[in-house]
Amino acid sequence: RKEVEQDPGPFNVPEGATVAFNCTYSNSASQSFFWYRQDCRKEPKLLMSVYSSGNEDGRFTAQLNRASQYISLLIRDSKLSDSATYLCVVSRNYGGSQGNLIFGKGTKLSVKP
Amino acid sequence: DAMVIQNPRYQVTQFGKPVTLSCSQTLNHNVMYWYQQKSSQAPKLLFHYYDKDFNNEADTPDNFQSRRPNTSFCFLDIRSPGLGDAAMYLCATRLSSQGLVKAFFGQGTRLTVV
Repeated sequence: RKEVEQDPGPFNVPEGATVAFNCTYSNSASQSFFWYRQDCRKEPKLLMSVYSSGNEDGRFTAQLNRASQYISLLIRDSKLSDSATYLCVVSRNYGGSQGNLIFGKGTKLSVKP
Repeated sequence: DAMVIQNPRYQVTQFGKPVTLSCSQTLNHNVMYWYQQKSSQAPKLLFHYYDKDFNNEADTPDNFQSRRPNTSFCFLDIRSPGLGDAAMYLCATRLSSQGLVKAFFGQGTRLTVV
Protein backbone atom coordinates (compact mmCIF):
# COMPACT_ATOMS: atom_id res chain seq x y z
CA ARG A 1 0.00 0.00 0.00
CA LYS A 2 1.31 3.43 -0.91
CA GLU A 3 1.99 5.82 1.93
CA VAL A 4 -0.24 8.50 0.41
CA GLU A 5 -3.09 7.80 -1.96
CA GLN A 6 -5.27 10.31 -3.77
CA ASP A 7 -8.28 10.46 -6.05
CA PRO A 8 -7.13 9.45 -9.51
CA GLY A 9 -8.58 12.47 -11.34
CA PRO A 10 -8.47 14.35 -13.62
CA PHE A 11 -11.23 16.66 -12.49
CA ASN A 12 -12.68 18.86 -15.22
CA VAL A 13 -15.00 21.49 -13.80
CA PRO A 14 -16.57 24.75 -14.97
CA GLU A 15 -15.61 28.07 -13.45
CA GLY A 16 -17.47 28.70 -10.23
CA ALA A 17 -17.83 25.04 -9.36
CA THR A 18 -16.98 23.53 -6.00
CA VAL A 19 -14.58 20.63 -6.14
CA ALA A 20 -13.29 18.28 -3.45
CA PHE A 21 -10.15 16.18 -3.35
CA ASN A 22 -9.58 13.29 -1.00
CA CYS A 23 -6.46 11.63 0.26
CA THR A 24 -5.66 8.74 2.59
CA TYR A 25 -2.36 7.98 4.29
CA SER A 26 -1.08 4.76 5.77
CA ASN A 27 1.35 5.88 8.47
CA SER A 28 -0.58 6.54 11.65
CA ALA A 29 2.51 8.20 13.14
CA SER A 30 2.40 11.05 10.61
CA GLN A 31 2.12 14.36 12.39
CA SER A 32 2.06 17.01 9.70
CA PHE A 33 -0.18 17.29 6.69
CA PHE A 34 -0.20 19.61 3.72
CA TRP A 35 -1.69 20.32 0.36
CA TYR A 36 0.74 21.41 -2.33
CA ARG A 37 -0.05 22.78 -5.73
CA GLN A 38 2.07 21.96 -8.76
CA ASP A 39 1.77 23.71 -12.09
CA CYS A 40 2.85 21.94 -15.25
CA ARG A 41 6.64 21.41 -15.31
CA LYS A 42 7.16 23.48 -12.17
CA GLU A 43 8.15 22.65 -8.62
CA PRO A 44 5.48 21.91 -5.99
CA LYS A 45 4.44 24.88 -3.91
CA LEU A 46 2.80 24.82 -0.51
CA LEU A 47 -0.89 25.64 -0.69
CA MET A 48 -1.79 25.13 2.92
CA SER A 49 -1.18 23.09 6.02
CA VAL A 50 -3.94 20.85 7.31
CA TYR A 51 -4.92 20.92 10.96
CA SER A 52 -7.05 18.53 12.97
CA SER A 53 -9.63 21.21 13.62
CA GLY A 54 -9.93 21.98 9.93
CA ASN A 55 -8.75 25.22 8.42
CA GLU A 56 -9.75 27.64 5.76
CA ASP A 57 -7.81 30.01 3.53
CA GLY A 58 -10.10 32.04 1.34
CA ARG A 59 -11.81 29.67 -1.07
CA PHE A 60 -9.81 26.68 0.17
CA THR A 61 -10.82 24.49 3.09
CA ALA A 62 -8.74 21.59 4.35
CA GLN A 63 -9.80 18.91 6.80
CA LEU A 64 -8.07 16.08 8.57
CA ASN A 65 -9.56 12.97 10.13
CA ARG A 66 -6.79 11.25 12.09
CA ALA A 67 -8.95 8.30 13.07
CA SER A 68 -9.67 7.49 9.43
CA GLN A 69 -6.28 8.75 8.22
CA TYR A 70 -8.06 10.87 5.69
CA ILE A 71 -7.40 14.40 4.39
CA SER A 72 -9.55 16.53 2.16
CA LEU A 73 -9.33 19.77 0.22
CA LEU A 74 -12.37 21.74 -0.86
CA ILE A 75 -12.11 24.51 -3.44
CA ARG A 76 -15.10 26.79 -3.73
CA ASP A 77 -15.90 29.11 -6.65
CA SER A 78 -13.20 27.62 -8.87
CA LYS A 79 -11.15 29.99 -10.98
CA LEU A 80 -9.33 29.29 -14.21
CA SER A 81 -6.11 29.94 -12.31
CA ASP A 82 -6.85 27.03 -9.98
CA SER A 83 -6.01 24.63 -12.81
CA ALA A 84 -3.06 22.61 -11.54
CA THR A 85 -2.19 19.32 -9.89
CA TYR A 86 -2.93 19.15 -6.18
CA LEU A 87 -0.61 16.99 -4.13
CA CYS A 88 -1.47 15.57 -0.75
CA VAL A 89 1.62 15.49 1.47
CA VAL A 90 2.23 13.91 4.86
CA SER A 91 5.23 13.76 7.13
CA ARG A 92 7.22 10.65 7.83
CA ASN A 93 9.12 10.90 11.07
CA TYR A 94 12.85 10.47 11.09
CA GLY A 95 14.60 10.13 14.39
CA GLY A 96 13.23 12.68 16.79
CA SER A 97 12.33 15.22 14.16
CA GLN A 98 9.34 15.62 11.93
CA GLY A 99 11.46 14.17 9.21
CA ASN A 100 10.44 14.05 5.62
CA LEU A 101 7.67 15.05 3.25
CA ILE A 102 5.99 12.16 1.48
CA PHE A 103 3.92 13.07 -1.55
CA GLY A 104 0.84 11.59 -3.11
CA LYS A 105 0.62 11.23 -6.86
CA GLY A 106 -1.58 14.28 -7.16
CA THR A 107 -4.95 15.01 -8.66
CA LYS A 108 -5.12 17.12 -11.76
CA LEU A 109 -7.72 19.86 -11.85
CA SER A 110 -8.80 21.64 -15.02
CA VAL A 111 -11.17 24.57 -14.63
CA LYS A 112 -12.90 25.49 -17.87
CA PRO A 113 -14.58 28.78 -18.84
CA ASP B 1 15.55 36.04 -5.15
CA ALA B 2 15.64 32.28 -5.42
CA MET B 3 16.86 30.72 -2.19
CA VAL B 4 17.21 27.15 -3.40
CA ILE B 5 18.91 27.05 -6.77
CA GLN B 6 19.21 24.01 -8.94
CA ASN B 7 21.57 23.81 -11.85
CA PRO B 8 21.14 23.19 -14.60
CA ARG B 9 17.40 23.63 -15.15
CA TYR B 10 17.55 21.23 -18.09
CA GLN B 11 20.10 18.48 -18.58
CA VAL B 12 20.46 16.09 -21.47
CA THR B 13 22.77 13.17 -20.94
CA GLN B 14 23.65 10.06 -22.86
CA PHE B 15 22.61 6.63 -21.76
CA GLY B 16 25.25 5.34 -19.36
CA LYS B 17 27.18 8.61 -19.10
CA PRO B 18 27.59 9.84 -15.53
CA VAL B 19 25.78 13.07 -14.75
CA THR B 20 25.74 15.39 -11.75
CA LEU B 21 22.95 17.70 -10.72
CA SER B 22 23.56 20.44 -8.21
CA CYS B 23 21.58 22.26 -5.58
CA SER B 24 22.68 25.28 -3.61
CA GLN B 25 20.93 27.22 -0.90
CA THR B 26 21.41 30.56 0.80
CA LEU B 27 19.20 29.73 3.77
CA ASN B 28 21.74 27.92 5.95
CA HIS B 29 19.29 25.06 6.27
CA ASN B 30 20.73 21.91 7.77
CA VAL B 31 18.38 19.44 6.07
CA MET B 32 18.48 18.86 2.32
CA TYR B 33 16.40 16.46 0.27
CA TRP B 34 16.49 15.03 -3.23
CA TYR B 35 13.28 13.92 -4.89
CA GLN B 36 12.71 12.26 -8.26
CA GLN B 37 9.46 13.01 -10.06
CA LYS B 38 8.60 11.12 -13.20
CA SER B 39 5.81 12.24 -15.50
CA SER B 40 2.41 12.09 -13.78
CA GLN B 41 3.95 10.51 -10.69
CA ALA B 42 4.44 11.63 -7.12
CA PRO B 43 7.75 13.21 -6.14
CA LYS B 44 9.66 10.28 -4.68
CA LEU B 45 12.17 10.85 -1.91
CA LEU B 46 15.59 9.47 -2.90
CA PHE B 47 17.64 10.54 0.13
CA HIS B 48 18.22 13.35 2.52
CA TYR B 49 20.97 14.89 4.58
CA TYR B 50 20.40 15.80 8.18
CA ASP B 51 23.44 17.96 8.79
CA LYS B 52 26.23 15.73 7.50
CA ASP B 53 24.32 12.52 8.06
CA PHE B 54 23.30 10.89 4.81
CA ASN B 55 20.02 8.96 4.81
CA ASN B 56 19.19 6.78 1.87
CA GLU B 57 15.66 5.58 1.18
CA ALA B 58 15.54 1.79 1.11
CA ASP B 59 14.35 1.62 -2.48
CA THR B 60 16.74 4.18 -3.97
CA PRO B 61 18.87 2.41 -6.59
CA ASP B 62 22.63 2.23 -6.05
CA ASN B 63 22.98 4.12 -9.31
CA PHE B 64 22.04 7.27 -7.38
CA GLN B 65 24.60 8.81 -5.07
CA SER B 66 24.83 12.13 -3.30
CA ARG B 67 27.47 14.42 -1.87
CA ARG B 68 27.20 17.35 0.45
CA PRO B 69 30.57 19.08 0.72
CA ASN B 70 29.20 21.88 2.88
CA THR B 71 25.92 23.24 4.24
CA SER B 72 25.14 25.21 1.11
CA PHE B 73 25.68 22.64 -1.61
CA CYS B 74 24.33 19.21 -2.37
CA PHE B 75 24.93 17.10 -5.46
CA LEU B 76 23.04 14.24 -7.01
CA ASP B 77 25.23 11.87 -9.02
CA ILE B 78 23.72 9.36 -11.39
CA ARG B 79 26.49 6.93 -12.19
CA SER B 80 25.00 5.26 -15.25
CA PRO B 81 21.76 6.92 -16.31
CA GLY B 82 19.21 4.74 -17.95
CA LEU B 83 16.19 5.77 -19.98
CA GLY B 84 14.06 5.15 -16.90
CA ASP B 85 15.94 7.83 -14.98
CA ALA B 86 14.50 10.61 -17.12
CA ALA B 87 12.58 12.75 -14.67
CA MET B 88 12.40 16.05 -12.85
CA TYR B 89 14.81 16.08 -9.91
CA LEU B 90 13.79 18.35 -7.07
CA CYS B 91 15.95 19.63 -4.25
CA ALA B 92 14.37 20.85 -1.03
CA THR B 93 15.75 22.28 2.18
CA ARG B 94 14.55 23.11 5.65
CA LEU B 95 15.81 24.00 9.07
CA SER B 96 15.30 21.11 11.44
CA SER B 97 14.25 23.45 14.26
CA GLN B 98 11.34 24.63 12.12
CA GLY B 99 8.43 22.58 10.92
CA LEU B 100 8.05 20.93 7.56
CA VAL B 101 5.82 23.81 6.54
CA LYS B 102 9.03 25.78 6.15
CA ALA B 103 10.47 23.50 3.48
CA PHE B 104 11.74 25.29 0.40
CA PHE B 105 11.91 23.69 -3.03
CA GLY B 106 14.18 24.51 -5.90
CA GLN B 107 12.79 24.85 -9.40
CA GLY B 108 14.02 21.41 -10.34
CA THR B 109 16.30 19.97 -12.98
CA ARG B 110 14.61 18.17 -15.84
CA LEU B 111 16.81 15.30 -16.95
CA THR B 112 16.54 13.75 -20.39
CA VAL B 113 18.45 10.58 -21.21
CA VAL B 114 19.16 9.89 -24.87
